[in-house]
Amino acid sequence: NAGVTQTPKFQVLKTGQSMTLQCAQDMNHEYMSWYRQDPGMGLRLIHYSVGAGITDQGEVPNGYNVSRSTTEDFPLRLLSAAPSQTSVYFCASIDRLDEQFFGPGTRLTVL
Amino acid sequence: QKEVEQDPGPLSVPEGAIVSLNCTYSNSAFQYFMWYRQYSRKGPELLMYTYSSGNKEDGRFTAQVDKSSKYISLFIRDSQPSDSATYLCAMSGRYSGGGADGLTFGKGTHLIIQP
Repeated sequence: NAGVTQTPKFQVLKTGQSMTLQCAQDMNHEYMSWYRQDPGMGLRLIHYSVGAGITDQGEVPNGYNVSRSTTEDFPLRLLSAAPSQTSVYFCASIDRLDEQFFGPGTRLTVL
Repeated sequence: QKEVEQDPGPLSVPEGAIVSLNCTYSNSAFQYFMWYRQYSRKGPELLMYTYSSGNKEDGRFTAQVDKSSKYISLFIRDSQPSDSATYLCAMSGRYSGGGADGLTFGKGTHLIIQP
């Protein structure tokens, strides 16, 4: 198993641009989530999904969109990037024993 | 007041020392407590997972939860240079953190084990 994979590893955007951060898992986990990690702030939940076709907001959802068309994929869309969205983004999934697996992260800089 | 407080360090100790990492929290609804290890430029990986108060041991690692004091600890025995990383505490009212609340994380403590 590859576990949780994320692409790209790094990205630089200009203010106002849009992009999609990709997340995939091959463990057949129903629950997936997106966190952002900022210095001095810890990790904060952006959006989560309890299964294909079902998504909901976490603590900091503004400026982000998600969809879950398959069990494997959970992309995160930035609609109009802002410098405040400069962060490291982690995707995670939870197995049936409730252990949360994190991906390697995407480092995003918005200029 | 933040829900979870964790000293960011850095904490530097010599190889072989016993390391104590701590978090305090304010939300009495938290029932599940986790410790994650995060190496530089990597994703967090789960080290320990405990429910309610008590101790749990796994090899060189011991997790301790004191719900009456709202205080959790991670002890590392016989510390190794490979233990150098950032250690994040996390907690949830709902097992591993599924749902709208997700996991509430501390900011992480940067640990350095000197050879």
